Amino acid sequence: DAGITQSPRYKITETGRQVTLMCHQTWSHSYMFWYRQDLGHGLRLIYYSAAADITDKGEVPDGYVVSRSKTENFPLTLESATRSQTSVYFCASSDRAQPQHFGDGTRLSIL
Amino acid sequence: DQQVKQNSPSLSVQEGRISILNCDYTNSMFDYFLWYKKYPAEGPTFLISISSIKDKNEDGRFTVFLNKSAKHLSLHIVPSQPGDSAVYFCATRAYSGGGADGLTFGKGTHLIIQP
Repeated sequence: DAGITQSPRYKITETGRQVTLMCHQTWSHSYMFWYRQDLGHGLRLIYYSAAADITDKGEVPDGYVVSRSKTENFPLTLESATRSQTSVYFCASSDRAQPQHFGDGTRLSIL
Repeated sequence: DQQVKQNSPSLSVQEGRISILNCDYTNSMFDYFLWYKKYPAEGPTFLISISSIKDKNEDGRFTVFLNKSAKHLSLHIVPSQPGDSAVYFCATRAYSGGGADGLTFGKGTHLIIQP
């Protein structure tokens, strides 16, 4: 089915570990985004990408790394997880100037 | 500083009545505004949008009003239905010509429709 899928849906890990969240879209959208949602905040932009091999920082990029070797995939890596990165992570995609479509999120807990 | 403010964390409305959700923004460079609806354990779903060249946009039961001079927008839902119970996020974007702009979100308003 066409859409945007995130994996895993739930993840528990320990501080200092590396963890990668996956995002895959089947619309061939040029633009992809990562957001995090925390209590007391709306969604905040971590990184975004305008096309394969083009990425840029958002509002809260520290501690995260992204790559986009293929148009359909936009993985987000926490190289050394910290407790402050416990959050719900949403991936989104869009065509130019169109509303973003979101995945169902990954709930990440860092102990 | 919060650039997008939704000052009501929650709102309770009777089924069949009008729901009005409000949003204020501070940056006059924002030129495109969206409302998203979110159910628990799901991602936000796009509901309706409005460009800064308009002051109203309607889609079925949903209408968004934009008051640029007040930097205020509102979402009206008429009539409200039980399935409208969700968290509603106001989001904005500043045009940069590239289309890769991330959105700036408010904190959300939890709308509860009472039977």
